[in-house]
Amino acid sequence: KAGVTQTPRYLIKTRGQQVTLSCSPISGHRSVSWYQQTPGQGLQFLFEYFSETQRNKGNFPGRFSGRQFSNSRSEMNVSTLELGDSALYLCASSLEGLAGGVLFFGPGTRLTVL
Amino acid sequence: AQKVTQAQTEISVVEKEDVTLDCVYETRDTTYYLFWYKQPPSGELVFLIRRNSFDEQNEISGRYSWNFQKSTSSFNFTITASQVVDSAVYFCALSEGTGANSKLTFGKGITLSVRP
Repeated sequence: KAGVTQTPRYLIKTRGQQVTLSCSPISGHRSVSWYQQTPGQGLQFLFEYFSETQRNKGNFPGRFSGRQFSNSRSEMNVSTLELGDSALYLCASSLEGLAGGVLFFGPGTRLTVL
Repeated sequence: AQKVTQAQTEISVVEKEDVTLDCVYETRDTTYYLFWYKQPPSGELVFLIRRNSFDEQNEISGRYSWNFQKSTSSFNFTITASQVVDSAVYFCALSEGTGANSKLTFGKGITLSVRP
């Protein structure tokens, strides 16, 4: 079974630009969740999508948004990039979802904002 | 207050030493789940173990063992006879609620370095 894939693996953007990250979950998993990882803040939950609906949302500004398609693939968009958005963005897929479900993580997208 | 506290930030041991990674959690729910994940230098987090709040049995898997104590709200992880390949960041996580009210909180992580 193929694992979780994320594209692109690395991105360099400048302040004010927007970016779209993609995540393909494990086949059969309907839950996809996104996380931001930085040295200072650690792993922070962004949002979870389940069957194309956003089910949970973390404490991030509206510049961070996402969506999920009918094939469970998910995209995350960050608009008006700020320097502080530089981070490793991880997505995870799960059969059960956040409520006790085991998460399978992708390799992440390393975003650098200049 | 942090919901998941991993007080140790960095631990360095010599190969073959035993090491215990501490995790203390806080929740008002009676039903919850605890997890440990490992993040090796490659960056991809890997699931290690899941425990639900009704199962306080300790678990052993090879060199890894977990001690879950509800009385002290702790879920500690011990690596016996550590190896260089155990070098990674280890995260403890707490899952509460159900469906749209579910919440997942990670601890800050513990960086474990195992020296040859």
